[in-house]
Amino acid sequence: GNSVTQMEGPVTLSEEAFLTINCTYTATGYPSLFWYVQYPGEGLQLLLKATKADDKGSNKGFEATYRKETTSFHLEKGSVQVSDSAVYFCALSKYGNKLVFGAGTILRVKS
Amino acid sequence: DVKVTQSSRYLVKRTGEKVFLECVQDMDHENMFWYRQDPGLGLRLIYFSYDVKMKEKGDIPEGYSVSREKKERFSLILESASTNQTSMYLCASSSSLRSGNTGELFFGEGSRLTVL
Repeated sequence: GNSVTQMEGPVTLSEEAFLTINCTYTATGYPSLFWYVQYPGEGLQLLLKATKADDKGSNKGFEATYRKETTSFHLEKGSVQVSDSAVYFCALSKYGNKLVFGAGTILRVKS
Repeated sequence: DVKVTQSSRYLVKRTGEKVFLECVQDMDHENMFWYRQDPGLGLRLIYFSYDVKMKEKGDIPEGYSVSREKKERFSLILESASTNQTSMYLCASSSSLRSGNTGELFFGEGSRLTVL
């Protein structure tokens, strides 16, 4: 079946550090890939997405590239801020409706 | 501002009680979902609905049922709450594939249920 594996957290960084959160997936065919973010006390919101191989999704300084050869969709940001502290979820979708989520990675950014 | 609203942010119930979690969306979305979120497990799909009065089981439907009598409202029901249903419950909605949806879900803020 379809599944998503994310690196375990929590990830703790100092402000302005470089961020990578790894995400790999298992799926037949060509899924769409997503990163969702959950800020404290809130629901999830879409951060970025990519719908085909080699696409790069980007938003708020975050980027992720859909790599079919490595079945990966790693999230990166060049310089994190305290306000980026949140839980990040990688997800995939085969048919545009049902999403399969990873376990989530807690990010803590210290000033 | 588009919204998915869950009726209760925090609930405390006793084992065996019947529990209703309500969700309303104002985006005229066809699809609605109920997930539960547990640490280390991410989000797991309980039930979803593609249309009024339609429902389909997700990955963990046991112990739950749902109701969708109106397009904007999707209710999750725990017929007899148990302690292992203590969790955060998240409602979400999305537009249909024919509307050009590529998978984005819009989430409510969540309902944290504690069953004693």
